[in-house]
Amino acid sequence: DVKVTQSSRYLVKRTGEKVFLECVQDMDHENMFWYRQDPGLGLRLIYFSYDVKMKEKGDIPEGYSVSREKKERFSLILESASTNQTSMYLCASSLEGISNQPQHFGDGTRLSIL
Amino acid sequence: AQKITQTQPGMFVQEKEAVTLDCTYDTSDPSYGLFWYKQPSSGEMIFLIYQGSYDQQNATEGRYSLNFQKARKSANLVISASQLGDSAMYFCAMRVLQGAQKLVFGQGTRLTINP
Repeated sequence: DVKVTQSSRYLVKRTGEKVFLECVQDMDHENMFWYRQDPGLGLRLIYFSYDVKMKEKGDIPEGYSVSREKKERFSLILESASTNQTSMYLCASSLEGISNQPQHFGDGTRLSIL
Repeated sequence: AQKITQTQPGMFVQEKEAVTLDCTYDTSDPSYGLFWYKQPSSGEMIFLIYQGSYDQQNATEGRYSLNFQKARKSANLVISASQLGDSAMYFCAMRVLQGAQKLVFGQGTRLTINP
């Protein structure tokens, strides 16, 4: 069965801290994605990666960076956390080149910045 | 630019009734795919059904079917014989097939099934 694992379900950090959210997939997928989910706004893409060490900005990359050193792992980094980054963060992965394949999601991380 | 619109923030339905969740989309690309996901209160996103822009027939998966009207740019999800476990957030999403397979999501509809 496909599996995307996010390192934490709940996380509380302080303003100004550097925050790491980790995501691991065991399906050998080429594509990985980070979204944030806010009420009334749906899911918005922060960054995605289509290969190791490759990344592209999504719709709301400001204040975030990512790292993909290995195919199975995609990390989201909040360089200096701010209260407006309090949100639900979802990681996803998908196969490259197959149009009807869905993205598979992790269980999400609820991040609170105090 | 691609856009998905879900105009129903919340819906309340009696158990065993059928329910239709609305989704309209906007794209100028001829090749695209439409997805529906379910998100229970636990938070995980569960893939339900897919419709490709060139598919001749409406997609069906068990109790889920997709009412795809290409000319109207709508892709409504129909759930037949609703169950209490169908209570969740539902998201419509679109992927344009040229590019890096990004998904664009709608705002979501919260469905509540009443006993």
